[in-house]
Amino acid sequence: AQSVSQHNHHVILSEAASLELGCNYSYGGTVNLFWYVQYPGQHLQLLLKYFSGDPLVKGIKGFEAEFIKSRFSFNLRKPSVQWSDTAEYFCAVLSGGSYIPTFGRGTSLIVHP
Amino acid sequence: NAGVTQTPKFQVLKTGQSMTLQCAQDMNHNSMYWYRQDPGMGLRLIYYSASEGTTDKGEVPNGYNVSRLNKREFSLRLESAAPSQTSVYFCASGDSLLSGNTIYFGEGSWLTVV
Repeated sequence: AQSVSQHNHHVILSEAASLELGCNYSYGGTVNLFWYVQYPGQHLQLLLKYFSGDPLVKGIKGFEAEFIKSRFSFNLRKPSVQWSDTAEYFCAVLSGGSYIPTFGRGTSLIVHP
Repeated sequence: NAGVTQTPKFQVLKTGQSMTLQCAQDMNHNSMYWYRQDPGMGLRLIYYSASEGTTDKGEVPNGYNVSRLNKREFSLRLESAAPSQTSVYFCASGDSLLSGNTIYFGEGSWLTVV
């Protein structure tokens, strides 16, 4: 069965710092990859997704993620975070042929102004 | 542009009471899901429905039942609520063709069982 690991459970940054959140998955076949964001008290919203093609994916609000197949990784990055990026971030993986995504446990990001 | 709509948003139940969480989507998606979210546990799948007329257990189905009433609606029922079911519940929908396997979430239902 697919598993998804998000190694950073809690991240605290100051505004303008760079961000990288790790995501690794276990299944080695065809995958669809997602990052979702959950702002305090809100539902999960899609940040970006990778299905195929360019492994560097750009999403909303200046976020990007890079799919590295050899490392089973899909890390999320942002060059300069803002206070409004304070949220919980979830990585999700959909294995080929499945319609049930597997979610990581999430990373809580706090950005101090 | 409603997307996925859940009701109620907040509910307090006494142990042993029953209730149904309602979910409807207007995106014509085939698949629908119910997740619960607890601190430190991430999202856990309770039940899912691959298409109208089918339902299957997810990771944590005990204490819950579901009904896929039609293509739009997927309800979650707690027959005899327990304090361990205090959680935030999210309904979601997706479709391999219409949404490219992306799933979309409702705004959540905060349930407290006392």
